[in-house]
Amino acid sequence: DIQMTQSPSTLSASIGDRVTITCRASQSIFSYLAWHQQKPGKAPKLLIYGASSLESGVPSRFTGSGSGTEFTLTINSLQPDDFATYYCHQYSTNPLTFGGGTKVEIK
Amino acid sequence: EVQLVESGGGLVQPGGSLRLSCAASGFTFISYWMHWVRQAPGEGLMWVSRINNDGTSTVYVDSVRGRFTVSRDNAKNTVYLQMNSLRDDDTAVYYCTRGTPNLSTFDQWGQGTLVTVSS
Repeated sequence: DIQMTQSPSTLSASIGDRVTITCRASQSIFSYLAWHQQKPGKAPKLLIYGASSLESGVPSRFTGSGSGTEFTLTINSLQPDDFATYYCHQYSTNPLTFGGGTKVEIK
Repeated sequence: EVQLVESGGGLVQPGGSLRLSCAASGFTFISYWMHWVRQAPGEGLMWVSRINNDGTSTVYVDSVRGRFTVSRDNAKNTVYLQMNSLRDDDTAVYYCTRGTPNLSTFDQWGQGTLVTVSS
């Protein structure tokens, strides 16, 4: 199975900050990488697919980059609505797998 | 509006069975693969199973293979997850998700249904 390792597991930031979350795959997943956002008690929501493509309706302050085994999610100018947990997800190979999540907290 | 509505969760004893349903609306159901993803309390996300458009191909994570069965009824726009021989570690919120055929992530999620396995 492909292991997905996210860092950090928790991140404290202030409104307006730029934050970066990293996701590493245990083998190449090309660009078959997505980012999902989850708020407490809610279902996840797709933000980014294909490593860097923004899902329709998602604010442009979210950007994804990377390919192969190294990926990043950047949130430019953090907003109050962005405090949540973020998961990377590889869909290159079955079984599909997720990173452990990064919780973005208010500093 | 795209909607995925899960039902069928509840409390079940270890070794018992449960069938989850996911009713889809607002899109052409037969055009999409459907997946189940679960989340144990306080934990991360884990993909469970996938079924293709016409139900002829299914895939499972190792921990549920042989115990869980995914199926779909395209006439009813519904996907199912039959869960047998349930164990304590199957306790989770189960989400129904939608994916396009072949290599794709999940672009729509249901609200989830809680399955609790406990004596």
